[in-house]
Amino acid sequence: NAGVTQTPKFRVLKTGQSMTLLCAQDMNHEYMYWYRQDPGMGLRLIHYSVGEGTTAKGEVPDGYNVSRLKKQNFLLGLESAAPSQTSVYFCASRTPGQPLETQYFGPGTRLLVL
Amino acid sequence: GDSVTQMEGPVTLSEEAFLTINCTYTATGYPSLFWYVQYPGEGLQLLLKATKADDKGSNKGFEATYRKETTSFHLEKGSVQVSDSAVYFCALRQNTGNQFYFGTGTSLTVIP
Repeated sequence: NAGVTQTPKFRVLKTGQSMTLLCAQDMNHEYMYWYRQDPGMGLRLIHYSVGEGTTAKGEVPDGYNVSRLKKQNFLLGLESAAPSQTSVYFCASRTPGQPLETQYFGPGTRLLVL
Repeated sequence: GDSVTQMEGPVTLSEEAFLTINCTYTATGYPSLFWYVQYPGEGLQLLLKATKADDKGSNKGFEATYRKETTSFHLEKGSVQVSDSAVYFCALRQNTGNQFYFGTGTSLTVIP
């Protein structure tokens, strides 16, 4: 199993450009999450999904959109990138009710917005 | 709302020293508590967890006890190794909720 994978690993954007980050998991997990990690602020939840076709806002959703068209994929979109969106983005997945009740994280996508 | 507060780092220790990283939380009810570890260039990995008061989570020599009376979940290890150098995150999740709340992370460097 590959676990949770993220594409791309690194990207540089200019202000105003758009892009989509892809998260894929092969563990048949129901729930998927997108976080951003910034120095001194830990991980903050952007959006999450509790199943195919459903999404919900997290703590910092502004400027981002998401889609969960397939159970194994969770896409994070930036329609018009801003320098404040420079961050490391992590995707995670889990299935409720399993003994560990934890999330499995991808390796991260480093995004720089100039 | 729910939140987690961690001691600020960075923390630098010599090999075989004793480690404590403090974590306190604010939440209603009885959330589940977690410690995650992030090695350089990688995503977070679960280190240990506890789901109810007085539970002790343990893994790889690390321990943390769920203290309801002090709303704390401090991480401890009796003898750290260079390979323990990483960033450690405390987190909570309400048992009826879907969101995890993370602390800001504590960077640990262990020197030989």
